Amino acid sequence: KAGVTQTPRYLIKTRGQQVTLSCSPISGHRSVSWYQQTPGQGLQFLFEYFSETQRNKGNFPGRFSGRQFSNSRSEMNVSTLELGDSALYLCASSLGLAGPTGELFFGEGSRLTVL
Amino acid sequence: AQSVTQLGSHVSVSEGALVLLRCNYSSSVPPYLFWYVQYPNQGLQLLLKYTSAATLVKGINGFEAEFKKSETSFHLTKPSAHMSDAAEYFCAVSRPSGSARQLTFGSGTQLTVLP
Repeated sequence: KAGVTQTPRYLIKTRGQQVTLSCSPISGHRSVSWYQQTPGQGLQFLFEYFSETQRNKGNFPGRFSGRQFSNSRSEMNVSTLELGDSALYLCASSLGLAGPTGELFFGEGSRLTVL
Repeated sequence: AQSVTQLGSHVSVSEGALVLLRCNYSSSVPPYLFWYVQYPNQGLQLLLKYTSAATLVKGINGFEAEFKKSETSFHLTKPSAHMSDAAEYFCAVSRPSGSARQLTFGSGTQLTVLP
């Protein structure tokens, strides 16, 4: 069974540009969450989607957005990139609305460098 | 608000020695707690989770953790370290009334295993 697939794995952008990251969850998983990982702030929750609807959102500016498609694949977009957006962006999938104890399955991440 | 604190950003042990990684939580209600591991250039993998069913939780790869309410702790242990255990370990908490997909992570502990 294939795991969570994130593309691209690595990318370099310049300040002011925008970026779109893609996440394909494990087959049959309907929930996708996104996390940002940086050396300074650690792992921070960005947002969560289930059935094409955003269920929760972390404390990030409006430049960070996402969406989920009918096949459960998800994309996140960051507009007007800043140097501080350089990070590893992790996508995680889970079966569904499993409450507070469900397991998250993480992808390997997309490493974004902003110059 | 719930939070977790990991004591010690770096821990070194000799191969075959006891591994002890510390995690303390802060929560006004009984928490749901997790330990995840991240190997270099990979995503996170669930080691174990506490869901109030049992205070001693056994996970994968020989790891276990004990929930101690009186100490607000959920330390991760392994009796005998192996070279393959070298990785970064994250303690996390989810909101009891919310979603396991919105986790609050600790700052992580980098485990080094010395030959």
